[in-house]
Amino acid sequence: KAGVTQTPRYLIKTRGQQVTLSCSPISGHRSVSWYQQTPGQGLQFLFEYFSETQRNKGNFPGRFSGRQFSNSRSEMNVSTLELGDSALYLCASSFDRRGSSYEQYFGPGTRLTVT
Amino acid sequence: ILNVEQSPQSLHVQEGDSTNFTCSFPSSNFYALHWYRWETAKSPEALFVMTLNGDEKKKGRISATLNTKEGYSYLYIKGSQPEDSATYLCARPGANNLFFGTGTRLTVIP
Repeated sequence: KAGVTQTPRYLIKTRGQQVTLSCSPISGHRSVSWYQQTPGQGLQFLFEYFSETQRNKGNFPGRFSGRQFSNSRSEMNVSTLELGDSALYLCASSFDRRGSSYEQYFGPGTRLTVT
Repeated sequence: ILNVEQSPQSLHVQEGDSTNFTCSFPSSNFYALHWYRWETAKSPEALFVMTLNGDEKKKGRISATLNTKEGYSYLYIKGSQPEDSATYLCARPGANNLFFGTGTRLTVIP
């Protein structure tokens, strides 16, 4: 079974631009979560999608948004990029079966650099 | 404790040494505790999902224990090897996500 894939793996953008990152979950997984990791910080939760609906959102500004498609693929968008948005963005998928322990499977991440 | 906390932040050990580190979490409304290993340039990989007080899980030379009443879990590595070098993360489930600690970065010196 193929793992979680993320594209692109590396990205360099300029302040003020916007960016879209993509995540394809493991086949059969309907929940997709996004996390941000910056130096010295743990994985910070951005948002989670299930069946095309955002179920949960972390404490990030409205410049961060996402969506999920009917095939469970998800995209994350950051508008008006700031230097502080430079980070590793990880996507994780989960089967989200009722009563499960919510084990997540991570992709390799997208390294975003804002100059 | 409101969030997941891990200690130490980093650790250097000699090859062959055994080591352990701690994850502290809110003891109220406990549901599960996850351990992940994150090697450089790779994806975080699930090690254990622990749900029962007193639970002990083992995978090769790595084991973990859980105390839900006092809100902590220990991860042990016996006879550390260079390939054990990684950041070890613990996390507790939220509504539909995981809340991660900042991790313990382990370096095993050959």
